[in-house]
Amino acid sequence: RKEVEQDPGPFNVPEGATVAFNCTYSNSASQSFFWYRQDCRKEPKLLMSVYSSGNEDGRFTAQLNRASQYISLLIRDSKLSDSATYLCVVNGGLGSGGYQKVTFGTGTKLQVIP
Amino acid sequence: GAVVSQHPSWVICKSGTSVKIECRSLDFQATTMFWYRQFPKQSLMLMATSNEGSKATYEQGVEKDKFLINHASLTLSTLTVTSAHPEDSSFYICSASNFRLNTEAFFGQGTRLTVV
Repeated sequence: RKEVEQDPGPFNVPEGATVAFNCTYSNSASQSFFWYRQDCRKEPKLLMSVYSSGNEDGRFTAQLNRASQYISLLIRDSKLSDSATYLCVVNGGLGSGGYQKVTFGTGTKLQVIP
Repeated sequence: GAVVSQHPSWVICKSGTSVKIECRSLDFQATTMFWYRQFPKQSLMLMATSNEGSKATYEQGVEKDKFLINHASLTLSTLTVTSAHPEDSSFYICSASNFRLNTEAFFGQGTRLTVV
């Protein structure tokens, strides 16, 4: 099982639709979770952190389910500008050798269609 | 958010030469820096993790003698691609974090390396 798994997509949705991304992780000791957005040929940019209580930022809602070991991102009222690849990132805490183990999902590509 | 500056943003080099990429955290102390590589249409692949003042930890399959990483201070890490070959052409991105403070990772702008 991969440490972090995402549906690669692509998700093609019409403008105004609601779209949900899920991401599962295998390390139950993982400490922090993030969603990043990556536009084509650009660096990933933090979209939002994911808190245990769930958090919302405008049209974006992120949730964490520790029992089932998954995080989700919901985008409401999709805009054309939301078209990008969405990466979930899991910080698994200290790995062997004392370094932080940060793992990216492979990303889910979203294409919002006019 | 915090700023991580990566330089150069793009570079073309001849096969057999070495290329150095710098990653600086401008407004925070980066206890940990990560180096990633991304081939077209693929996800980011972690190459190595470096903690300030210690040797980098390389992921399986990444040649430590080819990809030299130095993290000499809390604000600077460098990746040197030695004896570059065309198959090393890729998008290299660094990210920096201070996970003692449980902050997210901030990314540099990336370096597009083309080896001809």
